[in-house]
Amino acid sequence: GAGVSQSPSNKVTEKGKDVELRCDPISGHTALYWYRQSLGQGLEFLIYFQGNSAPDKSGLPSDRFSAERTGGSVSTLTIQRTQQEDSAVYLCASSLVQRGVPLFSGANVLTFGAGSRLTVL
Amino acid sequence: RKEVEQDPGPFNVPEGATVAFNCTYSNSASQSFFWYRQDCRKEPKLLMSVYSSGNEDGRFTAQLNRASQYISLLIRDSKLSDSATYLCVVNTQYYTGTASKLTFGTGTRLQVTL
Repeated sequence: GAGVSQSPSNKVTEKGKDVELRCDPISGHTALYWYRQSLGQGLEFLIYFQGNSAPDKSGLPSDRFSAERTGGSVSTLTIQRTQQEDSAVYLCASSLVQRGVPLFSGANVLTFGAGSRLTVL
Repeated sequence: RKEVEQDPGPFNVPEGATVAFNCTYSNSASQSFFWYRQDCRKEPKLLMSVYSSGNEDGRFTAQLNRASQYISLLIRDSKLSDSATYLCVVNTQYYTGTASKLTFGTGTRLQVTL
């Protein structure tokens, strides 16, 4: 697609329920990131996928959080047994990774989706 | 200590003013540096990369000081449309090809007024 697409744009759920957030990256982008942003806070790294490499899961805050990326394209972030502190905007980003090219080159810029706003009551 | 630290602001400046933001990073192995801009309730977008020698893009100038581990962003002749939150971003990778994450600061909010 033309941009990074995320769904749902808004999700309100009750504490203890599971939620799934979806990200459809720009076609051809091999790298996909999940970040979350709590109200008035910066972006917190969650997980990173690149091609067929093992994902970098170092940012996932607990084992209630998991993510997968099927076929190297669409990604789903799953939060099990949601808690109120999980309320945040979940941002997905993708980039076209060109090996051996400096990160600051335009080709490797992160393009973010509009985010999924999660509210846990 | 946070990996990337910024003064949250807000910086309230009149239109036409010059304003500067600093950002400090703790990991001396950081190799790549960026400024992103985030409008209210919108997603972040790249403003500019920061090169070792410093770089300019129109009214925006970015500088890197490796010895003191900080980067700066200077905005000249501020416009109302510059009102946004400016996010400092660092990465320990220089080249892509390996798994890497960009670490974002919490952002500095700028409000330009008439």
